[in-house]
Amino acid sequence: EAGVAQSPRYKIIEKRQSVAFWCNPISGHATLYWYQQILGQGPKLLIQFQNNGVVDDSQLPKDRFSAERLKGVDSTLKIQPAKLEDSAVYLCASSSVGQRAKNIQYFGAGTRLSVL
Amino acid sequence: SQQGEEDPQALSIQEGENATMNCSYKTSINNLQWYRQNSGRGLVHLILIRSNEREKHSGRLRVTLDTSKKSSSLLITASRAADTASYFCAWQRAGGTSYGKLTFGQGTILTVHP
Repeated sequence: EAGVAQSPRYKIIEKRQSVAFWCNPISGHATLYWYQQILGQGPKLLIQFQNNGVVDDSQLPKDRFSAERLKGVDSTLKIQPAKLEDSAVYLCASSSVGQRAKNIQYFGAGTRLSVL
Repeated sequence: SQQGEEDPQALSIQEGENATMNCSYKTSINNLQWYRQNSGRGLVHLILIRSNEREKHSGRLRVTLDTSKKSSSLLITASRAADTASYFCAWQRAGGTSYGKLTFGQGTILTVHP
């Protein structure tokens, strides 16, 4: 089966600009996650969707970050405006409902964002 | 860290040697998982151990879990250069409304020299 697809792979922007990341999860996976991974650290969950509904966005900086998952498939994460501290790798992951009890997650390759 | 820790932060060994990484967490858990991340790539699931299990094997991987000490260890036996990567533990908190959320440790960078 095809894995989790993310684009773009790399993005360089100036601070205060806007940026958007796209994710296409594994077909049939109801749960989708966006993580922020700062260099040298483990991934930090930003937002979790179950189908097209948000189940956890407690660590999403809502003044500048937004995410949507229309039709319960693809998802977009946006940052507006970006700050220097947003430089990180943004990872998308998905998991199937059947495995939710285990919650094994499948990750995309990520988008590396550099804010200058 | 308020969530947990992994140690060592970095580990350098020769091919054929064993590598041991440790993880500590601070909450009650349903399960604990280990993931590998190669440079510039996403994370790949390696192994899961449930809270009522004490040890689990998968190929050259051995995971132990001590819920009384809130700690886990990952042992990679007979390491290969291809095992060079960052290794992360992640735990699923028990109870509440976590919706299966995983919390990740800080990771251990493993370098295996040919």
